[in-house]
Amino acid sequence: DVKVTQSSRYLVKRTGEKVFLECVQDMDHENMFWYRQDPGLGLRLIYFSYDVKMKEKGDIPEGYSVSREKKERFSLILESASTNQTSMYLCASSLEYDEQYFGPGTRLTVT
Amino acid sequence: KQEVTQIPAALSVPEGENLVLNCSFTDSAIYNLQWFRQDPGKGLTSLLLIQSSQREQTSGRLNASLDKSSGRSTLYIAASQPGDSATYLCAVFKGTGNQFYFGTGTSLTVIP
Repeated sequence: DVKVTQSSRYLVKRTGEKVFLECVQDMDHENMFWYRQDPGLGLRLIYFSYDVKMKEKGDIPEGYSVSREKKERFSLILESASTNQTSMYLCASSLEYDEQYFGPGTRLTVT
Repeated sequence: KQEVTQIPAALSVPEGENLVLNCSFTDSAIYNLQWFRQDPGKGLTSLLLIQSSQREQTSGRLNASLDKSSGRSTLYIAASQPGDSATYLCAVFKGTGNQFYFGTGTSLTVIP
């Protein structure tokens, strides 16, 4: 059974803190994605990675960075959290040209 | 840029009804289309994947169709149950750049 896990379900951080969100998949997928989901705006792609150490910016990369040192792990980093980064963060993975599998999501609140 | 629209944004039906959810997209050059279910505060669960060469896919009480030329897909749910209450999203994949484009979803409530 395919599985994508995220390090936290809920997270509360203060403005200016550095935040790490981790995602792990056990399906040997090449592609991994980070999205954020906000009411009325749907899912927006932050970054995706198509291989170890390879990454490309999505639609809203500002204020975020990513790291993929191992195939199964894709990390999203908020260098200096701001209140407008309060959101639901969703990680996904896929084989090339195949369906996406999502993790359970991390609800991040920045105060 | 690909635009994906789902109308209506919300739908409420009595238990037992058959219903259709709609998804439209502006660029017919897609590689596949995927339907997801999302429960409140949770991640997305894949329901059905339709390749661009296919017309429909079925899984249990769910049937998804694809009309690529007109830029439309429908998700048919037969004999709806309260447990079907969730938000349903569609996403299209263009096959390049690993970009998936999502609709904003239809929130379905099935009333017992």
